[in-house]
Amino acid sequence: DQQVKQNSPSLSVQEGRISILNCDYTNSMFDYFLWYKKYPAEGPTFLISISSIKDKNEDGRFTVFLNKSAKHLSLHIVPSQPGDSAVYFCAASPIIQGAQKLVFGQGTRLTINP
Amino acid sequence: DVKVTQSSRYLVKRTGEKVFLECVQDMDHENMFWYRQDPGLGLRLIYFSYDVKMKEKGDIPEGYSVSREKKERFSLILESASTNQTSMYLCASSLYRGRGGNTEAFFGQGTRLTVV
Repeated sequence: DQQVKQNSPSLSVQEGRISILNCDYTNSMFDYFLWYKKYPAEGPTFLISISSIKDKNEDGRFTVFLNKSAKHLSLHIVPSQPGDSAVYFCAASPIIQGAQKLVFGQGTRLTINP
Repeated sequence: DVKVTQSSRYLVKRTGEKVFLECVQDMDHENMFWYRQDPGLGLRLIYFSYDVKMKEKGDIPEGYSVSREKKERFSLILESASTNQTSMYLCASSLYRGRGGNTEAFFGQGTRLTVV
């Protein structure tokens, strides 16, 4: 049962254009959402997050949008750069006591073409 | 600078061997996690711990155990390695959520384990 889904395994975007990565979730108990970036043979690195009390969070070229009614979030990267080529994982955290357990999607491989 | 360190980048083990993957964090984080990453499946949680000597099963704990004797160290143990445990293993840590609100998890560089 995949609670966090990234339905696009790959995405190809031209340098300078906008990259939009999508993520859907099913568990209404999720209240915190994150995006991670991963290069081959390295651990994921945190990019940006959003709490369920917000619908948008911006950090430089990265913006995350949250649509709670649709249980959908998206990551916008603009303008896209060659160094953005990586696998992007969406993650969600449920409202629980104790450990902040992260549930991840399958990942989307983003390729930025020059 | 935050740091999560995994003891090995690459490991090759034989079927049936007992395998230890070690992870150390220097951020005084309460929470520690072990994930495995496989193509098309994303990151799946094996075990996590929110305190010393405490552990909770994740989504795929079968064939694994963990140990957390000290706050900074979280070990993953493959009791009897099998070929379907060939994977990238990722350790992560984070602050206890009640301490500072929402915080992200920090990951180690990963251990690529091959079981032959």
